[in-house]
Amino acid sequence: SQELEQSPQSLIVQEGKNLTINCTSSKTLYGLYWYKQKYGEGLIFLMMLQKGGEEKSHEKITAKLDEKKQQSSLHITASQPSHAGIYLCGADPNAGGTSYGKLTFGQGTILTVHP
Amino acid sequence: DSGVTQTPKHLITATGQRVTLRCSPRSGDLSVYWYQQSLDQGLQFLIQYYNGEERAKGNILERFSAQQFPDLHSELNLSSLELGDSALYFCASSALDLSNTIYFGEGSWLTVV
Repeated sequence: SQELEQSPQSLIVQEGKNLTINCTSSKTLYGLYWYKQKYGEGLIFLMMLQKGGEEKSHEKITAKLDEKKQQSSLHITASQPSHAGIYLCGADPNAGGTSYGKLTFGQGTILTVHP
Repeated sequence: DSGVTQTPKHLITATGQRVTLRCSPRSGDLSVYWYQQSLDQGLQFLIQYYNGEERAKGNILERFSAQQFPDLHSELNLSSLELGDSALYFCASSALDLSNTIYFGEGSWLTVV
């Protein structure tokens, strides 16, 4: 079965600093989802990557899927307190998205941003 | 707001009891997924329904069951509850039965005492 390893497990940064969270898979990634979790807000969808080398950005958050499709990174530029939360990567283990949403998730990265 | 609605938000119940968690998917979404999040197991897939039919099963216990109704809302039934069933249960939905953007609700906190 596919396993996802996120690093670091936790991260404390000063407001305005850049940061990167990594998600490494034991198998090829056919679909990689990034979510942010905050208490009382559930899991907030950030981005989904499917192609090797793909890069997507939304506001100050950029996610990439490497060419070999076994690692993804999430980069936050000029972090703000509103970025604080738990970041989770989730993977679809089957090509063509045929796992019917049976995603495997990493253990999460806890991000704290100090003002 | 993802558009996925879950009730109740919090639930405290005793061991041996049965509870039902309810989920309304985003408008137009035919697929509903249930996930369980606990400190020791993390976020784990339980089961998926598409337009009323079960499509995929994960590590769902036999004491747990789910269904999706004609109006597309879904219920997760948890019976003979044990302390270890205490967790955050998420419902999610998507438009198609192939993996695409999956939106999660806020979750239902279940505490078994």
